[in-house]
Amino acid sequence: ETGVTQSPTHLIKTRGQQVTLRCSSQSGHNTVSWYQQALGQGPQFIFQYYREEENGRGNFPPRFSGLQFPNYSSELNVNALELDDSALYLCASSSSSYEQYFGPGTRLTVT
Amino acid sequence: AQKITQTQPGMFVQEKEAVTLDCTYDTSDQSYGLFWYKQPSSGEMIFLIYQGSYDEQNATEGRYSLNFQKARKSANLVISASQLGDSAMYFCAMRDPRSARQLTFGSGTQLTVLP
Repeated sequence: ETGVTQSPTHLIKTRGQQVTLRCSSQSGHNTVSWYQQALGQGPQFIFQYYREEENGRGNFPPRFSGLQFPNYSSELNVNALELDDSALYLCASSSSSYEQYFGPGTRLTVT
Repeated sequence: AQKITQTQPGMFVQEKEAVTLDCTYDTSDQSYGLFWYKQPSSGEMIFLIYQGSYDEQNATEGRYSLNFQKARKSANLVISASQLGDSAMYFCAMRDPRSARQLTFGSGTQLTVLP
């Protein structure tokens, strides 16, 4: 069992709106990474948080932002939603080892 | 820049037979890590196996083994004795050495195990 949870499971938003996705990392894990997985593609790295600081970012615009809290849970915020933001958003937590544990994902649909 | 290529969009295998899923990678780094993940229709990515670039032995985890050929830059996943529950999407991924937790994924292979 991974122990990583994400909420909500599914979400439908309208273009231009803002959305917040949440992730609770596995106990003891201080690093959280977020990925976007469009339909039929592999996940794309959005950004990573380590001990509440952003610690790496992929090729995503600034309207994708995040937070990590003292308990190492994390949020992904997306402003000014576009149709292409429709995807499965995956959160992964890790500690000092190489292994990342993924959550079940949040499926976002933008109409 | 790192790149992962999976050239098999879909694969079929008979139950109890072995199957090989292909993965090639491109990197200029000497130190890197290679992963395989399984993604069932539920969406969760399940870690299967890891191979470090300096590991001399091919990684094995139960029915999964990684055929690592460094000179050819390939890291194929071998699943032995396929089971119906193995039907899923499989992704090969590489760790960015400059960001220990960032993964670059391939486009995946959809494996279907036939009864």
